[in-house]
Amino acid sequence: DAKTTQPTSMDCAEGRAANLPCNHSTISGNEYVYWYRQIHSQGPQYIIHGLKNNETNEMASLIITEDRKSSTLILPHATLRDTAVYYCIVTGNTGKLIFGQGTTLQVKP
Amino acid sequence: DAGVIQSPRHEVTEMGQEVTLRCKPISGHDYLFWYRQTMMRGLELLIYFNNNVPIDDSGMPEDRFSAKMPNASFSTLKIQPSEPRDSAVYFCASSRHNSPLHFGNGTRLTVT
Repeated sequence: DAKTTQPTSMDCAEGRAANLPCNHSTISGNEYVYWYRQIHSQGPQYIIHGLKNNETNEMASLIITEDRKSSTLILPHATLRDTAVYYCIVTGNTGKLIFGQGTTLQVKP
Repeated sequence: DAGVIQSPRHEVTEMGQEVTLRCKPISGHDYLFWYRQTMMRGLELLIYFNNNVPIDDSGMPEDRFSAKMPNASFSTLKIQPSEPRDSAVYFCASSRHNSPLHFGNGTRLTVT
């Protein structure tokens, strides 16, 4: 599975959009980009995933560049409850997820 | 849907004792994963099963760790004998093929 690179930490003002970047320059054609988050000591929570096209659901939007070497997770209106560690993971058909260190997002009032 | 259920939520044991962690996956899911999380090493995949068969156990740290899945609705992770360095939060997750993983709330293990 391809390796991902994320910033260690980011801040965002409450009510503003949070844009979390991820680089995955070695991604191969059949690998998906997944985003999970982990709030405090809870189990990781699935947010969204995509292959080539941009995706949107009730939680977030995922923007994948045309060359698929990077992506951005967008939380359109961040709240204090969105403070968490966000993980960008690239995975193929095995379905297994290899977690990196993620980005710690701090949403501030 | 009750989600992935793990037990116990917390376990405190003495070094040398046997520890058994339990997991009930979501009904209908045919993949089951065991992860371990520590501050130093983050989230590590230990082992995963497909249709109750272990597929990849390369993340299991050593022979003291073993995992079984006797049926589609139950899995155990056993540590025998336990050591202080095994202290961590252990997560179980399940999924259908090519679908997102659903994680349990974890078991916090402390070995003194």
